[in-house]
Amino acid sequence: DAGVTQSPTHLIKTRGQQVTLRCSPKSGHDTVSWYQQALGQGPQFIFQYYEEEERQRGNFPDRFSGHQFPNYSSELNVNALLLGDSALYLCASSLATGGYTFGSGTRLTVV
Amino acid sequence: EDQVTQSPEALRLQEGESSSLNCSYTVSGLRGLFWYRQDPGKGPEFLFTLYSAGEEKEKERLKATLTKKESFLHITAPKPEDSATYLCAVQAGSSGANSKLTFGKGITLSVRP
Repeated sequence: DAGVTQSPTHLIKTRGQQVTLRCSPKSGHDTVSWYQQALGQGPQFIFQYYEEEERQRGNFPDRFSGHQFPNYSSELNVNALLLGDSALYLCASSLATGGYTFGSGTRLTVV
Repeated sequence: EDQVTQSPEALRLQEGESSSLNCSYTVSGLRGLFWYRQDPGKGPEFLFTLYSAGEEKEKERLKATLTKKESFLHITAPKPEDSATYLCAVQAGSSGANSKLTFGKGITLSVRP
């Protein structure tokens, strides 16, 4: 049974560019949450998607947006990249009853 | 606003030297307190969920306990393979079972052979 799959594993972008990160949830899970983890910090909640709608949002600017598809997979988009957006981006999937499973993350470096 | 503080930031132990990691929290209506292990460059791996004060859970060399203000992760006779970052997170009850997790910064544990 595949766990949470994220792609790509690493990428490098230039300031001002846009990036799209992808997440396939664990089989049977219908809710996807995204977290940002800066180096030496704990993960910070970005937003959560359920039934293709954003249900909860953390304290992140509108440059961060997302989408959930009918098959429950999800994308995280970040526009106008800043150096401070460099981080490990984690996707976590769950059921409505809870119980998070995290992926291995996408390491984004902005230069 | 929910807050989680973990201490110490880093801990170095000799193999077999038992110790405890601390997680202090403030949250409006605790739904659950979570402990995760994270290896470098990987995502958090679930260890325990605690729901109410007085609850304890064990897994191999790890034991997690919970009070109304803090949680401890006790490591008994650690081995080098226990070296990792240990994350504590709280979940408030206001948004249901899927409400967001608020994490601490983590404790980096190194166990020397």
